[in-house]
Amino acid sequence: GQQVMQIPQYQHVQEGEDFTTYCNSSTTLSNIQWYKQRPGGHPVFLIQLVKSGEVKKQKRLTFQFGEAKKNSSLHITATQTTDVGTYFCAEYSNSGYALNFGKGTSLLVTP
Amino acid sequence: DSGVTQTPKHLITATGQRVTLRCSPRSGDLSVYWYQQSLDQGLQFLIQYYNGEERAKGNILERFSAQQFPDLHSELNLSSLELGDSALYFCASSPGQGWNGYTFGSGTRLTVV
Repeated sequence: GQQVMQIPQYQHVQEGEDFTTYCNSSTTLSNIQWYKQRPGGHPVFLIQLVKSGEVKKQKRLTFQFGEAKKNSSLHITATQTTDVGTYFCAEYSNSGYALNFGKGTSLLVTP
Repeated sequence: DSGVTQTPKHLITATGQRVTLRCSPRSGDLSVYWYQQSLDQGLQFLIQYYNGEERAKGNILERFSAQQFPDLHSELNLSSLELGDSALYFCASSPGQGWNGYTFGSGTRLTVV
């Protein structure tokens, strides 16, 4: 199936700095979903993007879907220690029935 | 509490053994998905059931099997266990095809010794 690539693999920031993770695909995506997994926890659904060029915001989090629907990004403004965790993007496999997850970006925020 | 219940939370077993992991989906959800999470492979899709029927298969080994029962709970059976099967196994559910996201359980941590 399709495979989305996430970069960077790890990011370490000081509290208050911004953070961005990118999700890239070689093929056009029907939609993309983002999840957050806290250390020791389970993935939690954040948002779904469907339309070309779509931008959605959740407080300090901004999600974008590329115009060509081949890439997406998650930007966090002014990180807080509560933002620590691994952020995954996910897309539907060719069958359209199940999500394929990227390998995630692990964010560490130090106060 | 996400509404998806997985048991047991932890499991330690020996190589060659067989174990069963159980998942109760969120109330009203018809789809159940099983994922394996290991440090080097990330979240790997194993299998999906929808309303009792197998809908999609991912990288599931022949030693592994699953089923979804009439009450919609699901079981993942892992047999002839190897050290490399040690991982976190997540179950997720969604009302239909998950177009509005999956709800994950807290996982079963399997350790094969």
